[in-house]
Amino acid sequence: IQMTQSPSSLSASVGDRVTITCRASQSIASSVNWYQQKPGKAPNLLIYGASNLQGGVPSRFGGSGSGTDFSLTISSLQPEDFATYYCQQTYSTVWTFGQGTKVEIK
Amino acid sequence: EVQLVESGGGLVQPGGSLRLSCAASGFTFSDHYMDWVRQAPGKGLEWVGRVRNKPKSYTTEYAASVRGRFTISRDDSKNSLYLQMSTLKAEDTALYYCTRLERRLGSQNSYFYYMDAWGTGTTVTVSS
Repeated sequence: IQMTQSPSSLSASVGDRVTITCRASQSIASSVNWYQQKPGKAPNLLIYGASNLQGGVPSRFGGSGSGTDFSLTISSLQPEDFATYYCQQTYSTVWTFGQGTKVEIK
Repeated sequence: EVQLVESGGGLVQPGGSLRLSCAASGFTFSDHYMDWVRQAPGKGLEWVGRVRNKPKSYTTEYAASVRGRFTISRDDSKNSLYLQMSTLKAEDTALYYCTRLERRLGSQNSYFYYMDAWGTGTTVTVSS
């Protein structure tokens, strides 16, 4: 199952609302997770099951979607949110990640 | 505190072999499925494979890119995960992460699985 993430990068300002999308090559129900990765660090889980916020993750992060189209939204971008974000499908026994979206400071 | 510490990375020639280890602590290792994920320099994340737990007979899954060359195993008595890599290629050069899988029951009586703990990674370089 291929996961196509868009955009591959974006520039935004602190306080902006940001949306990253992920499209699956086939229907995958709600089997999508989202991770944040900062430079030189391991990824960190943000959202599981398409829309469930992982404990300790700020409520400005939200996930939605089912079937083939999914999105991660940051309601008000904060300085610490500048990072690369990855979607991941867990529907099949062989998991795959999207190619990543780098969120940069405008 | 959950900790995953990878080791065993290094420089290896194409066609060679290497064994990575991951030492787990701070949780009941035997309860969890465990995965390996890798990241080539400057690139995105690539899922490598999984070993399930004893109730699931320690079954494994692999990405197509490594199937037949890599073997994942675990030793629950040592709280350790392993990745045996053989017939290594230049494209296997990456930072290799050990990850813990957690699961949560969803609203439709099916489980959501996710990687809720990651090590800091160990670097494998395949080059002559």
